Amino acid sequence: DSGVTQTPKHLITATGQRVTLRCSPRSGDLSVYWYQQSLDQGLQFLIQYYNGEERAKGNILERFSAQQFPDLHSELNLSSLELGDSALYFCASSAPSGLPEETQYFGPGTRLLVL
Amino acid sequence: AQSVTQLDSHVSVSEGTPVLLRCNYSSSYSPSLFWYVQHPNKGLQLLLKYTSAATLVKGINGFEAEFKKSETSFHLTKPSAHMSDAAEYFCVVSDRAGNTPLVFGKGTRLSVIA
Repeated sequence: DSGVTQTPKHLITATGQRVTLRCSPRSGDLSVYWYQQSLDQGLQFLIQYYNGEERAKGNILERFSAQQFPDLHSELNLSSLELGDSALYFCASSAPSGLPEETQYFGPGTRLLVL
Repeated sequence: AQSVTQLDSHVSVSEGTPVLLRCNYSSSYSPSLFWYVQHPNKGLQLLLKYTSAATLVKGINGFEAEFKKSETSFHLTKPSAHMSDAAEYFCVVSDRAGNTPLVFGKGTRLSVIA
């Protein structure tokens, strides 16, 4: 158990809908990262937050957004969902330095299926 | 920009024989390198990481990796495979000089035959 929690574990929804994925980092970690794992694209970095502020952005679509709250939990919002958004979404957290060489601890993921 | 190439998409070994999973990296700066493992329907677990302290890095479950700058490689090895090692393995790079998140290779699926 990494100490990172993600809810829900599974999510089934329809095209055009909006969903929210939630992540709670390990106690004391200030950085939260979101990744998408799909069969065709592999594991791709989406976005990073550090202590409530956006720190780095990867291949995140404009239909997707995220935020980190004062209690450090984070939410990833996916809107106008398309079939291709079906994937496993991981959250990871790292120690307070927030530097890329810090070990990132991954949650169990949320499996999203868009029908 | 940094990138990682995992040279084999699938490796199959017999239980008790050595494991070699190959990884080459490209990085503009001194990289940090990681190996993560993903068991079926599970999250990602860190096996080991290199951050310039020692070129031979020992990880969990008997795995180790050697950083070779001249070959830009970071291959993962284990002397003797166990059935529980069957999983997907990811080689990962990040640039320590910049504020860049992890870049994952496409993964190598390790099968262990009894």
